[in-house]
Amino acid sequence: AQSVSQHNHHVILSEAASLELGCNYSYGGTVNLFWYVQYPGQHLQLLLKYFSEDPLVKGIKGFEAEFIKSKFSFNLRKPSVQWSDTAEYFCAVMPYSSASKIIFGSGTRLSIRP
Amino acid sequence: DTAVSQTPKYLVTQMGNDKSIKCEQNLGHDTMYWYKQDSKKFLKIMFSYNNKELIINETVPNRFSPKSPDKAHLNLHINSLELGDSAVYFCASSQSISDEQFFGPGTRLTVL
Repeated sequence: AQSVSQHNHHVILSEAASLELGCNYSYGGTVNLFWYVQYPGQHLQLLLKYFSEDPLVKGIKGFEAEFIKSKFSFNLRKPSVQWSDTAEYFCAVMPYSSASKIIFGSGTRLSIRP
Repeated sequence: DTAVSQTPKYLVTQMGNDKSIKCEQNLGHDTMYWYKQDSKKFLKIMFSYNNKELIINETVPNRFSPKSPDKAHLNLHINSLELGDSAVYFCASSQSISDEQFFGPGTRLTVL
C-alpha cells in the first residue's frame, strides 16, 4: 500500500538553527509531492510542491525541499528557523495513478525556542 | 474573501445525534474533498467530488454521507454519531483532480 513516512515526530530547535525534516514515500511510479504547514489553531497551508520540474523546489517563507527519486525522499529544509515557524509540518504524496488522492504523512511537530 | 470556508467551526453533540458540516469554496475549483484529522494529527481523506460527482470514497462508515449540490459546495452529513467520530474535519478544494489542494479552517467535532 502507498504510504508516507515522517520519522521525526517532534523536533525542537533554537532560533537561527538549520532545519531538515525527513519524508519518505513508498510508491514506484510518478508522483507529485507536497509539504503543508499547520500553524497552531489554523488550517493547512501549502508550503511548496513538486510537479515534475526541478527536483529542488523553493517554497514560501524561505523553505525548500529536494526530491531524490532514487531514495523516494522529499526532505524539507530551511537554513535558519524563526520562532514563527513553530507548527505541524505534513509531507504528502499524490501518485499519478490515483490523481486527487493525496496521502499524508503523520506530521512532524516543530517547536522553536526563542 | 475566504477561499474555503466551513461551518460550524466547533460542534459539540451527544452520541446518536445526526449532524451536518457545510463547506463552500469561492475559488471556482472543480474538485472538493473531506478529510478527517484524528487526535494524533493524522490526516486521512474521506471523500472527493469532481464536478459534483463522487470520485473517491475511502472506507468510511455509511453513516457519513457527502452531498454536493453544486461545484462550490460539499456538505458532510453524519448519522448516529459515535464517540470515535470526534475529530477535526477539513474540507479542501483544487482546480482539478491533479492540482494542489486548498484547505478550509476545519470543524472540530466533539461527540459526548
